[in-house]
Amino acid sequence: DVVMTQSPLSLPVTLGQPASISCRSSQSLVHSDGNTYLNWFQQRPGQSPRRLIYKVSNRDSGVPDRFSGSGSGTDFTLKISRVEAEDVGVYYCMQGTHWPPLTFGGGTKVEIK
Amino acid sequence: EVQLVESGGGLVQPGGSLRLSCAASGFTFSTYWMTWVRQAPGKGLEWVASIKPDGSDTHYVDSVRGRFTISRDNAKKSLYLQMNNLRGEDTAVYYCARGQRGCDYWGQGNQVTVSS
Repeated sequence: DVVMTQSPLSLPVTLGQPASISCRSSQSLVHSDGNTYLNWFQQRPGQSPRRLIYKVSNRDSGVPDRFSGSGSGTDFTLKISRVEAEDVGVYYCMQGTHWPPLTFGGGTKVEIK
Repeated sequence: EVQLVESGGGLVQPGGSLRLSCAASGFTFSTYWMTWVRQAPGKGLEWVASIKPDGSDTHYVDSVRGRFTISRDNAKKSLYLQMNNLRGEDTAVYYCARGQRGCDYWGQGNQVTVSS
């Protein structure tokens, strides 16, 4: 099974400042079809997860452009250019390349300093 | 608008059974893989099971294989998770999600508590 490792576990950020979350996979996430099925999800307190980014860098509809995804192979990053209060929550990466099983990172909690 | 609405959770004793349902609307249900994901109290997300659009192929996490069954009724636009021989470690909020590689839409979640 592919192990997804996120860092940091907790990320205190000042409003208006950037934030960056790392996600590393135990093997390359490049699928034989050429796609890399790496997704990012946001889970606000008390809410369901919401997908922000799919296939490494594609923003879902309605996701603010301050969120961006990048990376390749085994190393991926979610960046928030300027953190807003509504961005508080836990962020998860998930790989869909080598499934089953689908595997998630352990989560990164973003909070305001 | 895509909507996924789960139902059927609750409190059950160890060894008991529950059936979760997920009613879908706003998209052509019969053309999508569907997935169940769970979240234990204070923990992260864990994939549970997925089912092919026509129901002919299913996959499970090792910890539930043989106890849980994922199924669907495309005419009713509904997804199900039959959970048998429930254990304390199955206590979680269960989410249904559209797709498998991407899981682009999620339901509101349904609490399942296994306790005597």
